[in-house]
Amino acid sequence: QQQVKQSPQSLIVQKGGISIINCAYENTAFDYFPWYQQFPGKGPALLIAIRPDVSEKKEGRFTISFNKSAKQFSLHIMDSQPGDSATYFCAASVSGNTPLVFGKGTRLSVIA
Amino acid sequence: GAVVSQHPSWVICKSGTSVKIECRSLDFQATTMFWYRQFPKQSLMLMATSNEGSKATYEQGVEKDKFLINHASLTLSTLTVTSAHPEDSSFYICSARKGSTEAFFGQGTRLTVV
Repeated sequence: QQQVKQSPQSLIVQKGGISIINCAYENTAFDYFPWYQQFPGKGPALLIAIRPDVSEKKEGRFTISFNKSAKQFSLHIMDSQPGDSATYFCAASVSGNTPLVFGKGTRLSVIA
Repeated sequence: GAVVSQHPSWVICKSGTSVKIECRSLDFQATTMFWYRQFPKQSLMLMATSNEGSKATYEQGVEKDKFLINHASLTLSTLTVTSAHPEDSSFYICSARKGSTEAFFGQGTRLTVV
């Protein structure tokens, strides 16, 4: 049973456009929702994370929107740049020393 | 931010030999670390949870005797792939959580068994 569903699988966006990646979760005990960026051959790097007590969090060009009732959260990348081309993973977990549950990933390509 | 360092970044070994991968939390203590495996173009698959001073907890389907995990200190966990075979070739990544939320990942280790 996949606990975190991520879409789309791949995404092509024009430079300067907005990239939107969506995730849905099933476990209502989850209280930590991070997004990671991964380049080929590298480990995932934490981009931004949110807890369910807020509906939106913004850091630079990256924004997480969170809908607790719908059990969904999304990543918006504003003014997308070619350097943003990477694989993005959403994840969820219960706080504490518990492992993250990952979505399947979205391969983003930003074209000039 | 917090740093998790993984070594080596890549390793090539002969079939039948063992390989050790180290994962260190550089600026925080980690009582728990996690080991993941990632196949090309796929997501991260949790292999095991490493607990300082106690036995690791393995996910279903992961062979304990093949993937030996040792968490001897609050800043170091090691994964040893024993009697490696070509099918063990993969990208292995460790992770540690700082405090109760933020999870940081190592750079990953590309293992190739020939």
